[in-house]
Amino acid sequence: EVQLVESGGVVVQPGGSLRLSCAASGFTFDDYAMHWVRQAPGKGLEWVSLISWDGGSTYYADSVKGRFTISRDNSKNSLYLQMNSLRAEDTALYYCAKETRTSIALGYWGQGTLVTVSS
Amino acid sequence: DIQLTQSPSFLSASVGDRVTITCRASQGISSYLAWYQQKPGKAPKLLIYAASTLQSGVPSRFSGSGSGTEFTLTISSLQPEDFATYYCQQLNSYPQGFTFGPGTKVDIK
Repeated sequence: EVQLVESGGVVVQPGGSLRLSCAASGFTFDDYAMHWVRQAPGKGLEWVSLISWDGGSTYYADSVKGRFTISRDNSKNSLYLQMNSLRAEDTALYYCAKETRTSIALGYWGQGTLVTVSS
Repeated sequence: DIQLTQSPSFLSASVGDRVTITCRASQGISSYLAWYQQKPGKAPKLLIYAASTLQSGVPSRFSGSGSGTEFTLTISSLQPEDFATYYCQQLNSYPQGFTFGPGTKVDIK
């Protein structure tokens, strides 16, 4: 069974930094690209970032480019999101998500970890 | 950047109703569209990908259609467990940008 478990969400001050983690199990981690998607309280979904299966290619939404860094450690079946220069508008539930075997759509999601940026 | 709009943004319906949600893209995206269902406090669930392919395990009352710039998600007979928010997502810009639509909330009449 595919499992994605996010952690690391806390309350952080504006301008601060934070690293989120996602522990993956139940599938061959290094066979798949991985994503981060966020959802501000009461709002819709926003795609944040994508990393290729080997970590060699990364992509970001314009809203986080230059501030967030996605990475992965295939030996630990783990995905990360380093978040710097945090702003109030980064407050959200952050999900890690996995593509399916047959599509690039996001067929598996974690339960999310809450990041609150507030002074 | 490709923008998605959904209509309606809110829909009130009864159990057994046929429900249709529309997603429109600002430019053609072929069939690179997915639909998700999200219930309160839960992660989104993939329903349909490639505009019309039902994800494994999803009930057959859900169907998707369309290509280019206009897409629809149809629930043929609304069930109590279908009351949720539905999002479309374009995958045409892969790997750069996976835009979601703003969502359609389906509520009980």
